Amino acid sequence: DQQVKQNSPSLSVQEGRISILNCDYTNSMFDYFLWYKKYPAEGPTFLISISSIKDKNEDGRFTVFLNKSAKHLSLHIVPSQPGDSAVYFCAASPIGGSQGNLIFGKGTKLSVKP
Amino acid sequence: NAGVTQTPKFQVLKTGQSMTLQCAQDMNHNSMYWYRQDPGMGLRLIYYSASEGTTDKGEVPNGYNVSRLNKREFSLRLESAAPSQTSVYFCASSEAYNYGYTFGSGTRLTVV
Repeated sequence: DQQVKQNSPSLSVQEGRISILNCDYTNSMFDYFLWYKKYPAEGPTFLISISSIKDKNEDGRFTVFLNKSAKHLSLHIVPSQPGDSAVYFCAASPIGGSQGNLIFGKGTKLSVKP
Repeated sequence: NAGVTQTPKFQVLKTGQSMTLQCAQDMNHNSMYWYRQDPGMGLRLIYYSASEGTTDKGEVPNGYNVSRLNKREFSLRLESAAPSQTSVYFCASSEAYNYGYTFGSGTRLTVV
């Protein structure tokens, strides 16, 4: 039973437009949410996070929105660039989890076309 | 700035062989983790070590053992490899869960 779901395996966007990656979760006891980016043949890299007490966090072109009532978060990339093409993983951390037992979604592959 | 270093990068094993995947971090992080990534399955936690001297099972621990040798090193051992263990293995470390993990570049393991 997946606790963190990324229902879109892939997303294709034109360069310069907005990319919106979605993530749903089932456990209301998560207290931190994170996004990771992964290029082929490399390990995932931390992108941005949000605490459950906030509804928005912004870092440059990347913004994460959290809707706790809907148990939904999204990552917005504006404007999208070809270098953003990668697999994006959503992850969540349970309250009181043992030193950060992150639970990952299955990932969404983003393709940004020039 | 090496971060998290995994060795080897690639390995082919025959069914029943054993091997140890090595992981070392130079960031003085307390916690270390082993994940596996399979197509369509995302990242699944095998084992983790919250601090030096402790290890705990994750979501998919069967067929694996781990050793937290010291604060820097966390190894993953396959005692008797099976084709189902064909995967890409990632080691990660963190200081605190809300700061994010730093991942190594992965070990691609094929068991034939």
